[in-house]
Amino acid sequence: DAKTTQPTSMDCAEGRAANLPCNHSTISGNEYVYWYRQIHSQGPQYIIHGLKNNETNEMASLIITEDRKSSTLILPHATLRDTAVYYCIVRPSRNRDDKIIFGKGTRLHILP
Amino acid sequence: DAGITQSPRHKVTETGTPVTLRCHQTENHRYMYWYRQDPGHGLRLIHYSYGVKDTDKGEVSDGYSVSRSKTEDFLLTLESATSSQTSVYFCAISGSGANVLTFGAGSRLTVL
Repeated sequence: DAKTTQPTSMDCAEGRAANLPCNHSTISGNEYVYWYRQIHSQGPQYIIHGLKNNETNEMASLIITEDRKSSTLILPHATLRDTAVYYCIVRPSRNRDDKIIFGKGTRLHILP
Repeated sequence: DAGITQSPRHKVTETGTPVTLRCHQTENHRYMYWYRQDPGHGLRLIHYSYGVKDTDKGEVSDGYSVSRSKTEDFLLTLESATSSQTSVYFCAISGSGANVLTFGAGSRLTVL
């Protein structure tokens, strides 16, 4: 089973910040939080990842709570092209048992 | 995506026939994955590989087998295709320092 839970869907107005939550209450100390998104029927695309500090790149920001049990992906100025399914996963450390399990993700609708 | 290709991209076959999907990478990454995606189910892991000839089962491995005889190729075989295996299949690779997954464009399989 996926180790993360996300809302099924969310709406956000174009130009506003989109805040996508993810719960990962059983995360281990050596596991990172990764975010991916899938636009229509394309292959999923990496967005950002982090361990315990907040992270920012050209696409988004990632806020991880101090206890690491949840995180929020922030798209600062959402556009229509950000309409996609967003997946939050936790990644085990690089070892033999590297099963990467995705949940169903959050379907984000950007409204004009 | 650059560095990973899937073939065929589209295939229609009949129930009971064998099918092999190929994932080819030029990144020399250690890990390779096969996922299937169906409406309402998100991405589900079928099998993965953590090295040449080293593979393991994922969430939904029944009816599928895999082989990895060289680093660059990961084959997914349906020995006797069934209609329930109609799906979009995605291959992914990882192995760089950040452990980011890179996905292929997908292979759409229809079993009649």
